[in-house]
Amino acid sequence: AQTVTQSQPEMSVQEAETVTLSCTYDTSENNYYLFWYKQPPSRQMILVIRQEAYKQQNATENRFSVNFQKAAKSFSLKISDSQLGDTAMYFCAFTLRDDKIIFGKGTRLHILP
Amino acid sequence: AAGVIQSPRHLIKEKRETATLKCYPIPRHDTVYWYQQGPGQDPQFLISFYEKMQSDKGSIPDRFSAQQFSDYHSELNMSSLELGDSALYFCASSAGQGLGEQYFGPGTRLTVT
Repeated sequence: AQTVTQSQPEMSVQEAETVTLSCTYDTSENNYYLFWYKQPPSRQMILVIRQEAYKQQNATENRFSVNFQKAAKSFSLKISDSQLGDTAMYFCAFTLRDDKIIFGKGTRLHILP
Repeated sequence: AAGVIQSPRHLIKEKRETATLKCYPIPRHDTVYWYQQGPGQDPQFLISFYEKMQSDKGSIPDRFSAQQFSDYHSELNMSSLELGDSALYFCASSAGQGLGEQYFGPGTRLTVT
């Protein structure tokens, strides 16, 4: 069975700083997908970034980038130049192709003015 | 671009009542997933459908049932509601192309009193 672990329940950083959210996962599969979802107070699930396990290159989306270490089963999210609008709950997630998504417990991120 | 539509957005029911949640996937998406997110928790997979057939089942109570119709919309039926069923229910859809992409709807917030 696959599991996703987020070891940081809550984090706070100053606006404009860089912050890294940690995530580890466990699977015996070789082909899978990893995601970071953002859930603001509206509780909408917003896809931040997606990584395909067979791609060695780390995914980036504007200020968001990941550090994907397949051998270590690690998938961290880096947010550069953090903004007040980045305040949200962030979920690390895993899926196999068209399978269900398995979420971590989440990291609540506060961006301080 | 069209997104996943869920209705109603908010629903208040009393214990032991019945509720029906509806999900309209993105056009040409043939796979639907249902997730339940309790207060302060991560989303948990309930059930999924591919081409109108149940494809996977998670921790869905026997009091819940679901189906996907010929137009690919899906309904989650919940009977004998309990206080613990109060949660945000997400529907997600995918095109089933093995790309691991699921698009989430805005959710239905169910409150059982």
